[in-house]
Amino acid sequence: SSELTQDPAVSVALGQTVRITCQGDSLRSYYASWYQQKPGQAPVLVIYGKNNRPSGIPDRFSGSSSGNTASLTITGAQAEDEADYYCNSRDSSGNGVFGGGTKLTVL
Amino acid sequence: QVQLQQWGAGLLKPSETLSLTCAVYGGSFSGYYWSWIRQPPGKGLEWIGEINHSGSTNYNPSLKSRVTISVDTSKNQFSLKLSSVTAADTAVYYCARGGSGSYYQYYYYYMDVWGKGTTVTVSS
Repeated sequence: SSELTQDPAVSVALGQTVRITCQGDSLRSYYASWYQQKPGQAPVLVIYGKNNRPSGIPDRFSGSSSGNTASLTITGAQAEDEADYYCNSRDSSGNGVFGGGTKLTVL
Repeated sequence: QVQLQQWGAGLLKPSETLSLTCAVYGGSFSGYYWSWIRQPPGKGLEWIGEINHSGSTNYNPSLKSRVTISVDTSKNQFSLKLSSVTAADTAVYYCARGGSGSYYQYYYYYMDVWGKGTTVTVSS
């Protein structure tokens, strides 16, 4: 399968921890990468590989993987973390594929 | 610091060909995948395809018959052409730099530098 499945929406109280998940067969072979997108802006890579953060990404963002599920965890969510989050991987044919996105609301 | 600058026509009529170019500034062109991604209004991201510095391409199967991605290494630029556009192709189109690697039995793939996006509208 070339699909990656995400919950459409998740909410978290300010300062609490939230996990955003991504499911797909390809995740048994690939680590997911995760992107944050705020309205009117291009996506920003926040996690890639086993659990790597690009320069400038706060350490409250972390990634993990188990079986066919990848997770993005935000520990101590801030108001500025409110955004859409997308997972990304390759499918079995080597083509890129994105999850449908998760809208994170920080309450 | 690598930057991507993209440009192209923003308004097309049905059946025309979409043409966008992305220039890479401040970094090496080799060793990466150069990708195109689009986002219809109010919807999620869709991977269109990619090319590496030697010209090897991968395309989204749903768009493969209409897509051509090419590279001009002398100018550090890569381009997207999408033929026979319809209203369904209306979207913000992004170019991005992709990287990959492996860790034990796992592979990983990511896009770490993105262009600002070009809004393309298809309307008669």
